[in-house]
Amino acid sequence: DQQVKQNSPSLSVQEGRISILNCDYTNSMFDYFLWYKKYPAEGPTFLISISSIKDKNEDGRFTVFLNKSAKHLSLHIVPSQPGDSAVYFCAARIRSGNTPLVFGKGTRLSVIA
Amino acid sequence: DGGITQSPKYLFRKEGQNVTLSCEQNLNHDAMYWYRQDPGQGLRLIYYSQIVNDFQKGDIAEGYSVSREKKESFPLTVTSAQKNPTAFYLCASRGVASGNTIYFGEGSWLTVV
Repeated sequence: DQQVKQNSPSLSVQEGRISILNCDYTNSMFDYFLWYKKYPAEGPTFLISISSIKDKNEDGRFTVFLNKSAKHLSLHIVPSQPGDSAVYFCAARIRSGNTPLVFGKGTRLSVIA
Repeated sequence: DGGITQSPKYLFRKEGQNVTLSCEQNLNHDAMYWYRQDPGQGLRLIYYSQIVNDFQKGDIAEGYSVSREKKESFPLTVTSAQKNPTAFYLCASRGVASGNTIYFGEGSWLTVV
C-alpha cells in the first residue's frame, strides 16, 4: 500500500508561470516532509522540507504548503524556469521512529519556454 | 570534497552473475540507504543501515545483500536471485548534522545482458 502518493505523473507549465506539484499521504504518523528534485541519470537533490508543526515553508522561488487535516502537501515554484524541468519526489518520515524516508513515485515537470 | 561516491556509474551483468555496487561517504553519517529507481515506480528502499554492523531490509530486499563493516562504506550486492536487476541504483546517507534530510550519490546504472 502506497503511503506517499503523487497522483500526477507529469505536469507542463509555461515559463514564468506558477508550478504546483501535489502530494498526498496516508500515514498520520508522518511528521516531516521533503521535496527532492531529480535530473535524468543523477541522484536526487534536496529542495525544501517542512515539519508537521508548520503549514508553510518558503525558500526563494520554492514554497511548500502542508495541510495536515487533508494529509496533503504541495510544492509551489514561482516563477517557473526551464531549468526547473525535472522529476520531483515527495518524501515523508516519522522522526521519532528514526525510520527511512518513504518516497512518492514522482512528478515530471516540464517548463516550456 | 565531502559527499557520497557510487561506483561504477555503469555496469553490465550477465545473467547468473553476482555484482557489487560500491557506496562510500565521507560525511561522517551514521545511516546509509540503498534505493532502486524504475520508470514510473519512484524510489523503492532495498536495504538500510543505521549504524555499523547493523542493517535492515527495506521494501524490496529479495535478491540483494549488503554489509556495513565500516561507517563510510555500504556496498550492495545484486545476486543472481534478483529477477529484474536492470535499474538505476541510488545510495544515500543521513547524519546528525543533516537532520531529517538524506543526501544521495550520483547513482549506478545496472544492465543485465
